[in-house]
Amino acid sequence: QSVLTQPPSVSAAPGQKVTISCSGSSSNIGNNYVSWYQQLPGTAPKFLIYDNDKRPSGIPDRFSGSKSGTSATLGITGLQTGDEADYYCGTWDSSLSVVVFGGGTKLTVL
Amino acid sequence: EVQLVQSGAEVKKPGESLKISCKGSGYIFTSYWIGWVRQMPGKGLELMGTIYPGDSDTRYSPSFQGQVTISADKSITTAYLEWSSLKASDTAMYYCVRIRVVRGVMSWVESWGQGTLVTVSS
Repeated sequence: QSVLTQPPSVSAAPGQKVTISCSGSSSNIGNNYVSWYQQLPGTAPKFLIYDNDKRPSGIPDRFSGSKSGTSATLGITGLQTGDEADYYCGTWDSSLSVVVFGGGTKLTVL
Repeated sequence: EVQLVQSGAEVKKPGESLKISCKGSGYIFTSYWIGWVRQMPGKGLELMGTIYPGDSDTRYSPSFQGQVTISADKSITTAYLEWSSLKASDTAMYYCVRIRVVRGVMSWVESWGQGTLVTVSS
């Protein structure tokens, strides 16, 4: 069981918007920065969002992040078939003293 | 450009030892924490441990303490993950990562290696 809870799967049609949730506690999301990662099939994860809502250079503004209390959300607008991937949230856990990840959410673009 | 280049895939038998590597380039190797992330087949991401090559400060996640050894050779900007006796359950993809520290806290993984697939089978 992962420390951070994500839905196993989400789906939406091309061009639509989807959100992926990540739920934690005060020892992790509640008091630390949230990041997000995209893992396309058969590839290494890619850095997508950091510091809750910032995008690294080269990440399109179709991807957004937010945090409220002990939960975080990744938003993707203008869905493309190339967005089909597993998405993971991550943060520091102050009780475990380790970076923890959610279990991952598989995005299907129908 | 930051690059983390890992050693190639390995096929080993249970009980054998193994050391995989990760060469960093494009940045000051001794100034950033390096970590190893395990991804078992069809599963999620788990941070196994981290090392600061500048002073070799090494920290292990509770689940991996005593199971693996993380080390680094700053003279050749390379980090290592080592097993003394592999088990079938060690079969997984292993990623070398660079971790950003913000205000003293390891905050996010900002670079990933390409991964090293380790298969342990009799």
